[in-house]
Amino acid sequence: DAGITQSPRYKITETGRQVTLMCHQTWSHSYMFWYRQDLGHGLRLIYYSAAADITDKGEVPDGYVVSRSKTENFPLTLESATRSQTSVYFCASTHSLWGEQFFGPGTRLTVL
Amino acid sequence: DQQVKQNSPSLSVQEGRISILNCDYTNSMFDYFLWYKKYPAEGPTFLISISSIKDKNEDGRFTVFLNKSAKHLSLHIVPSQPGDSAVYFCAASSSGTYKYIFGTGTRLKVLA
Repeated sequence: DAGITQSPRYKITETGRQVTLMCHQTWSHSYMFWYRQDLGHGLRLIYYSAAADITDKGEVPDGYVVSRSKTENFPLTLESATRSQTSVYFCASTHSLWGEQFFGPGTRLTVL
Repeated sequence: DQQVKQNSPSLSVQEGRISILNCDYTNSMFDYFLWYKKYPAEGPTFLISISSIKDKNEDGRFTVFLNKSAKHLSLHIVPSQPGDSAVYFCAASSSGTYKYIFGTGTRLKVLA
């Protein structure tokens, strides 16, 4: 499928478990992003990447790890999930520094 | 410290009337602004953007106004339609960075 996809769409896990959220885009966009959306906070940037093997922290990176071995994939890992990481996670990509970002459909994560 | 603020969490407007959504920012380095629309269970989609060299940008029913001295931008939707009912986010960025700071969103409800 063309575009940007996220998997899983819904995930329930327990405190302390490792969870990986997947993001895949078919446009070969250089830039990719992970956001979380929480009530009262809007969208907050977790991590971003300018190209394969280049990643950097956003506003709220603690407790998260990313990698980007291939241009099209940008997985987000919660190494030891906490209840405060219950949120909706969005992946996005863009082709240029000034370009609009294209968002995936989101992953709703619940940490019990 | 919220650098981008949308002080109205919700707004209701009659179909056919004008909807005005507001956004304030504090960082004078921001020079590129975007509006996104988000429906439930979907990712945000790009609506319209404006750079700081302009004070107005139009695209069909949507117009964004930028007042740099007041650090304020607004999105006008004329005429409003029931399909415009969604959450609207403003986002801001500064030259040389691809980090966007998002506001908390305004939920627009257009009444038929």
